[in-house]
Amino acid sequence: EAQVTQNPRYLITVTGKKLTVTCSQNMNHEYMSWYRQDPGLGLRQIYYSMNVEVTDKGDVPEGYKVSRKEKRNFPLILESPSPNQTSLYFCASSFGTGGNSPLHFGNGTRLTVT
Amino acid sequence: ELKVEQNPLFLSMQEGKNYTIYCNYSTTSDRLYWYRQDPGKSLESLFVLLSNGAVKQEGRLMASLDTKARLSTLHITAAVHDLSATYFCAGITNTDKLIFGTGTRLQVFP
Repeated sequence: EAQVTQNPRYLITVTGKKLTVTCSQNMNHEYMSWYRQDPGLGLRQIYYSMNVEVTDKGDVPEGYKVSRKEKRNFPLILESPSPNQTSLYFCASSFGTGGNSPLHFGNGTRLTVT
Repeated sequence: ELKVEQNPLFLSMQEGKNYTIYCNYSTTSDRLYWYRQDPGKSLESLFVLLSNGAVKQEGRLMASLDTKARLSTLHITAAVHDLSATYFCAGITNTDKLIFGTGTRLQVFP
């Protein structure tokens, strides 16, 4: 089944403890992206990647890192999480942003930083 | 900088009625996307509008794009309860960044 898989679905952590949220897609998509969703703010892009070893900042990249060593994986790293990073995170992928290529979203990761 | 605004933010409508959700964007966007999100769920793609005058329909939903007015609409015909969800529109910048609106939460009641 074609899908974007995020793990974990729920994560509670403490301030400053490094964490990684994994994202994997099995559709051979070039484009992958991370978003955070907060009430009243919609979805905001954190980072995106057009292909392997190509990443770029979105609108809210501060406090986050990403890597794209393989086409299928795009982990989101929080080196020193803070409470303002408590949010719902979505990974998404597509064949590219050109043409008729909507994003496929993962099921989300709800992160709480205390 | 591309900004995307949706209105209304909340919409409570009776089954069988028609309504339109509006999506305005501030600068040029090559494409306009519509997504649906059910409570506690992920986002599902509804429509991709690629050019001025594009119109797409799926069931009771119809989306259109007017690039000159920088406006997209999502029209709901004869609403049913199953359409209750949050609807997002999104534009794309010339550097391939997707910018989402804040969403329209639709509730359809009997």
